[in-house]
Amino acid sequence: QKEVEQDPGPLSVPEGAIVSLNCTYSNSAFQYFMWYRQYSRKGPELLMYTYSSGNKEDGRFTAQVDKSSKYISLFIRDSQPSDSATYLCAMSGNSGGGADGLTFGKGTHLIIQP
Amino acid sequence: DTGVSQDPRHKITKRGQNVTFRCDPISEHNRLYWYRQTLGQGPEFLTYFQNEAQLEKSRLLSDRFSAERPKGSFSTLEIQRTEQGDSAMYLCASSLVTVNTEAFFGQGTRLTVV
Repeated sequence: QKEVEQDPGPLSVPEGAIVSLNCTYSNSAFQYFMWYRQYSRKGPELLMYTYSSGNKEDGRFTAQVDKSSKYISLFIRDSQPSDSATYLCAMSGNSGGGADGLTFGKGTHLIIQP
Repeated sequence: DTGVSQDPRHKITKRGQNVTFRCDPISEHNRLYWYRQTLGQGPEFLTYFQNEAQLEKSRLLSDRFSAERPKGSFSTLEIQRTEQGDSAMYLCASSLVTVNTEAFFGQGTRLTVV
């Protein structure tokens, strides 16, 4: 079993829909949780950063962390075709990645249909 | 440009040749990370520096790989005697050494070994 599990998709939804992306993990030492967006052949772009459990909202994006269930989610409201990309969850036991770096999921390929 | 910069963006090389990539982190960031990403997978941690000291190396980093950060600023990643299995996107990221900080990625160097 990999440390971080993420459904690779593709996930296809109509424009304007609410998108729910999620990851599960097994390492209880993870405390820092991130969501990155990656367009084809580009580097990952940081979207959301959360420390420990709870919710964080930034514009159309909401990140949730439930450490008791080892489950994290990213919600995208009012989805736009420009949101079409691969979304990677990442996590670490240390701030910024630290000695072991970030552990990533495989990424979910999201398609927003106009 | 204040982001993480990587050079070159693309590299095609023949099997057995040596290649070197460069990463310039965000100027005030003293942590620098190298990751490798293959198609359909999330980035995998290779190694990390704090200032000029290389503090951790993944088991993925075979003895054909070497990374340096001589003055605590830019870093180089060299692959000797390249193999077709080395074909991947090589990503660099940087972060601060403080609590609760994010890691930011460059656009990556895409290596193709033919």
